[in-house]
Amino acid sequence: NAGVMQNPRHLVRRRGQEARLRCSPMKGHSHVYWYRQLPEEGLKFMVYLQKENIIDESGMPKERFSAEFPKEGPSILRIQQVVRGDSAAYFCASSPQESGNTIYFGEGSWLTVV
Amino acid sequence: GIQVEQSPPDLILQEGANSTLRCNFSDSVNNLQWFHQNPWGQLINLFYIPSGTKQNGRLSATTVATERYSLLYISSSQTTDSGVYFCAVEQRTGNQFYFGTGTSLTVIP
Repeated sequence: NAGVMQNPRHLVRRRGQEARLRCSPMKGHSHVYWYRQLPEEGLKFMVYLQKENIIDESGMPKERFSAEFPKEGPSILRIQQVVRGDSAAYFCASSPQESGNTIYFGEGSWLTVV
Repeated sequence: GIQVEQSPPDLILQEGANSTLRCNFSDSVNNLQWFHQNPWGQLINLFYIPSGTKQNGRLSATTVATERYSLLYISSSQTTDSGVYFCAVEQRTGNQFYFGTGTSLTVIP
């Protein structure tokens, strides 16, 4: 999982603020996945993106959450008007192509909403 | 989506003991990976193993795709093996990885 860079590693937000989490995939990888891990639980899929395209956002809440992966720059997961239930670890993963390849995870971003 | 079940949910081992972790999945898969989440939360790739057997040091894994299960073997366990082990599968007809709920391993000296 070396090479997938996430920042910030830790983020504290008050209820109602916005959280922005960034992910730079491994060099040569054009596919990015975002997962959320609640305390004591497994990882839940949120969204799958390729450059400039959202391929599958079936795991993302319909409101307040959005994701992008622009042509230049990192992928961004944005959470508006955060609530305490958004407190979790958010992991980004990348892979070189669509299917049948190893995915590599970043070290995660821990969001705490107070 | 595909169902992924891992067993046992919790495991406590004496240092030096061996163990087998199991992952069952409910449909055909393109991809199966084992991960170790260490106590600091980092997810470490262990194996990419959609089928067959692989070994890496004290760890080995076997996936029998036709019977929809995979096994992770840990031999001569060490305290640094502690953490949660996740199995994740990519369904043939999907774009996402489905994670099991994990096996929490504690190795005591």
